[in-house]
Amino acid sequence: GAVVSQHPSWVICKSGTSVKIECRSLDFQATTMFWYRQFPKQSLMLMATSNEGSKATYEQGVEKDKFLINHASLTLSTLTVTSAHPEDSSFYICSARGGLAGDISPYDNEQFFGPGTRLTVL
Amino acid sequence: GEDVEQSLFLSVREGDSSVINCTYTDSSSTYLYWYKQEPGAGLQLLTYIFSNMDMKQDQRLTVLLNKKDKHLSLRIADTQTGDSAIYFCAESIRGSYIPTFGRGTSLIVHP
Repeated sequence: GAVVSQHPSWVICKSGTSVKIECRSLDFQATTMFWYRQFPKQSLMLMATSNEGSKATYEQGVEKDKFLINHASLTLSTLTVTSAHPEDSSFYICSARGGLAGDISPYDNEQFFGPGTRLTVL
Repeated sequence: GEDVEQSLFLSVREGDSSVINCTYTDSSSTYLYWYKQEPGAGLQLLTYIFSNMDMKQDQRLTVLLNKKDKHLSLRIADTQTGDSAIYFCAESIRGSYIPTFGRGTSLIVHP
């Protein structure tokens, strides 16, 4: 099946620094990538949706200047947490979709998830 | 309350059936999903059911949907230790296919 990787798998940084997380689709071209955030024992919350070559669409309440998303190619999207603070500590998960949008079926529009990145801000 | 709710933990004995329950609030939900997340891995789509269906069976997995009560369940027959994982219930509306997730149920299978 389709594979999505994330790098790094975990990162610890000091407050005020910026952290970049990469999401790659290894064996397919991802027209759309998604970024989620998950707090302990909470559900995955969609942060933003990005299509290759265009600006990301952020969910309500997500600061676009805080969480910079770049989807420069069909196999790579990056999430940069700028000026990270302890409250940004979380598990960040990306997913990628290569199917066409439209009323086909969930399997045609299936998102393939990366293993996640654990961010800890001290 | 949350859009999709599920209990956090379930413990079963190997060989028994597991039933993971989920409730959702959005009556316009079109697709209901079950995802599996194993340690260190991404979420994997196990199965989905369209909202006009009552049941879907796929090998050891049986999905039951009660649309009136907005209740979804996943039954795993003959549960094995390899089934130990976190199972996420999710829903999406027509044409979206972007799931809204529950908090996940940790299934622990013991000998």
